[in-house]
Amino acid sequence: AQRVTQPEKLLSVFKGAPVELKCNYSYSGSPELFWYVQYSRQRLQLLLRHISRESIKGFTADLNKGETSFHLKKPFAQEEDSAMYYCALSLTGYSGGGADGLTFGKGTHLIIQP
Amino acid sequence: DAGVTQSPTHLIKTRGQQVTLRCSPKSGHDTVSWYQQALGQGPQFIFQYYEEEERQRGNFPDRFSGHQFPNYSSELNVNALLLGDSALYLCASSNPAAGEKLFFGSGTQLSVL
Repeated sequence: AQRVTQPEKLLSVFKGAPVELKCNYSYSGSPELFWYVQYSRQRLQLLLRHISRESIKGFTADLNKGETSFHLKKPFAQEEDSAMYYCALSLTGYSGGGADGLTFGKGTHLIIQP
Repeated sequence: DAGVTQSPTHLIKTRGQQVTLRCSPKSGHDTVSWYQQALGQGPQFIFQYYEEEERQRGNFPDRFSGHQFPNYSSELNVNALLLGDSALYLCASSNPAAGEKLFFGSGTQLSVL
């Protein structure tokens, strides 16, 4: 069965410092990978997906099939980046995970200190 | 558009009871998925409904069942509640055929005593 691992429950960095949230997955096929974010008192929302290769709010993530990783990176952290971040995997196709059930990691709580 | 709406927001039940949670999808969305999020965990996929049928199911027992109505709204039913069913239940809607991404509701917090 597929699995998503986020090794850090909590990550605290200073404003302006680089950020890297780690995500590793286990699946023998070619999954779709996503990062979801939940800001304080807001709903879970899609941040970015690997197939679009886009940068959202300064965040990027590259799928490394050799290392089965999909780490989320941002060169200069901002205080508004403080949130809960979830890495997720979909087995079939795009649509932001709406075409089938997502497998989520346990999440990393990112705190940006001023 | 109110987005995905769920009711109730909070619910307290006792062991052995049955519960029904409700979800209205975002306008234009025809697919509804349900997730269970225990404290300190990521969401776990329960099942997905499309065209009033269960299209996909996660690793949850038969005590968890659902329904989708012609207006695309959905219900999640849990029978014979256990203490371990205490969690935040999230509904998410999408329209995969239209390339619409997944939108989540705010969830229903279920406490089983």
